[in-house]
Amino acid sequence: EVQLVESGGGLVQPGRSLKLSCVASGFTFSNYGMNWIRQAPGKGLEWVAYISSGSSYIYYAETVKGRFTISRDNAKNTLYLQMTSLRSEDTALYYCAIGSSSYFYWGQGVMVTVSS
Amino acid sequence: DVQMTQSPSYLAASPGESVSISCKASKSINTYLAWYQEKPGKTNKLLIYSGSTLQSGTPSRFSGSGSGTDFTLTIRSLEPEDFAVYYCQQHNEYPHTFGAGTKLELK
Repeated sequence: EVQLVESGGGLVQPGRSLKLSCVASGFTFSNYGMNWIRQAPGKGLEWVAYISSGSSYIYYAETVKGRFTISRDNAKNTLYLQMTSLRSEDTALYYCAIGSSSYFYWGQGVMVTVSS
Repeated sequence: DVQMTQSPSYLAASPGESVSISCKASKSINTYLAWYQEKPGKTNKLLIYSGSTLQSGTPSRFSGSGSGTDFTLTIRSLEPEDFAVYYCQQHNEYPHTFGAGTKLELK
């Protein structure tokens, strides 16, 4: 069974940093591109970042470019999102999801709240 | 960025009825459109990709159609488990963008 389990969220002050993790199981992690997608409270979905299976291709939404870094460790079956210079508008439920075009499995999400 | 306009935002229907949800792209996305279902307490589920291809496990009462800028998700003979929020997403170019969602409620 495919599982994606996000962790690392919490309450953080504006301007501070946070690192999210997504541990994958039930499939060959190293074969698939991965994404972070977020959903602000009461809002719709926003794609945040993508990393290809071998980390050769990385894309970011303009809203996070230069502040967030996506990475992966295929030996540990883990996807990461390093978030710096956090803003109130980054407050959201962050999901990891598998796929290079559509997203065929999603995690349950981890909440990040940016507030003083 | 490609803007995705989804309508309606809310839709009330009864089990057994058929419903359609529209998704319009601000420019052509060929057939690179996906549909997702969001339900409380469950992970988001990919229903359809590339406009009309059913993801494995998606019931045949779901269908997708369209190309270019206009797309439709149709659910025939609604089942109780179909009441949820539905999102469209274009996967033609980065940044991938989503529609604002359609909440399908029980009438």
